Amino acid sequence: EIVMTQSPATLSVSPGERATLSCRASQSVSSNLAWYQQKPGQAPRLLIYGASTRATGIPARFSGGGSGTEFTLTITSLQSEDFAVYYCQQYNNWPPRTFGQGTKLEIK
Amino acid sequence: EVQLVESGGGLVQPGGSLRLSCAASGFTFSSYWMSWVRQAPGKGLEWVASIKQDGSEKYYVDSVKGRFTISRDNAENSLYLQMNSLRAEDTAVYYCARDRIDATGLYYFDQWGQGSLVTVSS
Repeated sequence: EIVMTQSPATLSVSPGERATLSCRASQSVSSNLAWYQQKPGQAPRLLIYGASTRATGIPARFSGGGSGTEFTLTITSLQSEDFAVYYCQQYNNWPPRTFGQGTKLEIK
Repeated sequence: EVQLVESGGGLVQPGGSLRLSCAASGFTFSSYWMSWVRQAPGKGLEWVASIKQDGSEKYYVDSVKGRFTISRDNAENSLYLQMNSLRAEDTAVYYCARDRIDATGLYYFDQWGQGSLVTVSS
């Protein structure tokens, strides 16, 4: 099973600034990685797939990078609606498909 | 517009059974793999099971193998999760999710339902 580890667990950033979230896989997942955003009481929403491709309707301030075992999600010019929990998920080797434990992005 | 609407959750005693349903609309249901993903209260996301378009392939996380069964009815545009021998640790919101294929032929979750809460408690 591939273990996904996200860091940090909580990230405090001011609106308008940049946030960088990290995700590490226990073995290579190539570029088969997705990022999801989840707000309280809501279902997850797909942001990024293929490590760097934005899903339909996702603003350009969201960008994904990396390959192999190291990945990042960068959000530039943070808006109030961006404060949420973010999960990475590998879909290279399954079953099982595995998620990271999440990074909570909070307002500083 | 793609819609996935779960139903069937509720309170059940340990050892009991429950069947979740997911009604799909706004896309050709029979063309997609479908999955269930759960989230325990205050915890992260956990993939539970996936089923191929025609139901010929099914995969489960180890913790539910032998207890849960994923199925689908393409004529009714519906996905199901039969949950037997339920345990307290199965308590979670269960999401129905659509699998989308990418350029490499692999699948990620591109659409999610709003979830159905299952509580296992005496």
